[in-house]
Amino acid sequence: QKEVEQDPGPLSVPEGAIVSLNCTYSNSAFQYFMWYRQYSRKGPELLMYTYSSGNKEDGRFTAQVDKSSKYISLFIRDSQPSDSATYLCAFLTGGGNKLTFGTGTQLKVEL
Amino acid sequence: GAVVSQHPSRVICKSGTSVKIECRSLDFQATTMFWYRQFPKKSLMLMATSNEGSKATYEQGVEKDKFLINHASLTLSTLTVTSAHPEDSSFYICSARGQGTSGISTDTQYFGPGTRLTVL
Repeated sequence: QKEVEQDPGPLSVPEGAIVSLNCTYSNSAFQYFMWYRQYSRKGPELLMYTYSSGNKEDGRFTAQVDKSSKYISLFIRDSQPSDSATYLCAFLTGGGNKLTFGTGTQLKVEL
Repeated sequence: GAVVSQHPSRVICKSGTSVKIECRSLDFQATTMFWYRQFPKKSLMLMATSNEGSKATYEQGVEKDKFLINHASLTLSTLTVTSAHPEDSSFYICSARGQGTSGISTDTQYFGPGTRLTVL
């Protein structure tokens, strides 16, 4: 079993749709949960960061963590064409240094 | 806050030459910097981790004599690809981990924009 599972997509949605991106993980030692957005030929940009179960909201983005199910999600409301990018989930153990990444989900928001 | 820059953004060189890539944390001090390599449509592959003033720790399979890393200060790390060959062509991305400056998380990494290396 892979440490992190993330559907690579591509996921295509119409503008204005609610997008749900998900990752499952198997390592119980992960304590920090992140979502990065990466545009083509650019470095990843940190979108959301959390360390507890529950929801965290920032503008149109909501990160959800369910530690009991080992499942994290990123919701994007009112999606825009500018949200078209690859979204990477990332995990960090407590006291750890190295991020463990999902493979990334490619999202395309169409007009 | 948490801006990381890389220079150059793109470089084309001849086989056998060496190329240096700079990574700077512009508005925070970074205890640790990381170097990644990314192939098209693939996730990031960690190459090495470096702490200021000490030797870098390389991941398994990464040649430390080929990919020289120097972390001279809390805001600057460099990656030198020595005797580059076409198979070294890739997208190289650095990241930095904060030192606890207000507003900067110490538990995550902030990435630079990447450097595209093409070796002819």
